[in-house]
Amino acid sequence: NAGVTQTPKFQVLKTGQSMTLQCAQDMNHNSMYWYRQDPGMGLRLIYYSASEGTTDKGEVPNGYNVSRLNKREFSLRLESAAPSQTSVYFCASSPERVGDQPQHFGDGTRLSIL
Amino acid sequence: TQLLEQSPQFLSIQEGENLTVYCNSSSVFSSLQWYRQEPGEGPVLLVTVVTGGEVKKLKRLTFQFGDARKDSSLHITAAQPGDTGLYLCAGAARGSTLGRLYFGRGTQLTVWP
Repeated sequence: NAGVTQTPKFQVLKTGQSMTLQCAQDMNHNSMYWYRQDPGMGLRLIYYSASEGTTDKGEVPNGYNVSRLNKREFSLRLESAAPSQTSVYFCASSPERVGDQPQHFGDGTRLSIL
Repeated sequence: TQLLEQSPQFLSIQEGENLTVYCNSSSVFSSLQWYRQEPGEGPVLLVTVVTGGEVKKLKRLTFQFGDARKDSSLHITAAQPGDTGLYLCAGAARGSTLGRLYFGRGTQLTVWP
């Protein structure tokens, strides 16, 4: 009963380092999303993928890239980490790309950039 | 610019009290969802409201979608410590076919025994 799995759960990076956050879902969902959550800011959409083979920018895409590797997996890459990217990152998926579908979230990756 | 404004941002109450959380916008949404998030976990969907004026109940939680589909409220009756968490509203923009939700900043609820 995994749902959405994110790895790693915690990570500490130095400024300028790169890393990839992994996300996989086993619910056969078409749409996948990456959010960041900062105190008092709610969830802000970084990138999303409405279906396999497509990706689109959300409201805070700068400094990030994504890859929809297949229907199950959607990765988020930080090419040159900055302290402003310290945050909790959530991956989510939904069955279809219609807006009223529920989104299922992973438990997050807590990322600190020193 | 925050499309959905939630209030209050923080709420600290005693067990047994009632409370209401508000989610407001100047935009019309095709649907609105409420999520609850506990520390160290991702948000979990509580309810989706779709029709203007719709009221849904989930045990002691009552959710309402405004007639004009621009706002929503969450009312909790006789709050319990187990209700403690971050409550998030999220709206699907009208006409959106991309599955994108816009989240409010959340209401952090603490219920003391």
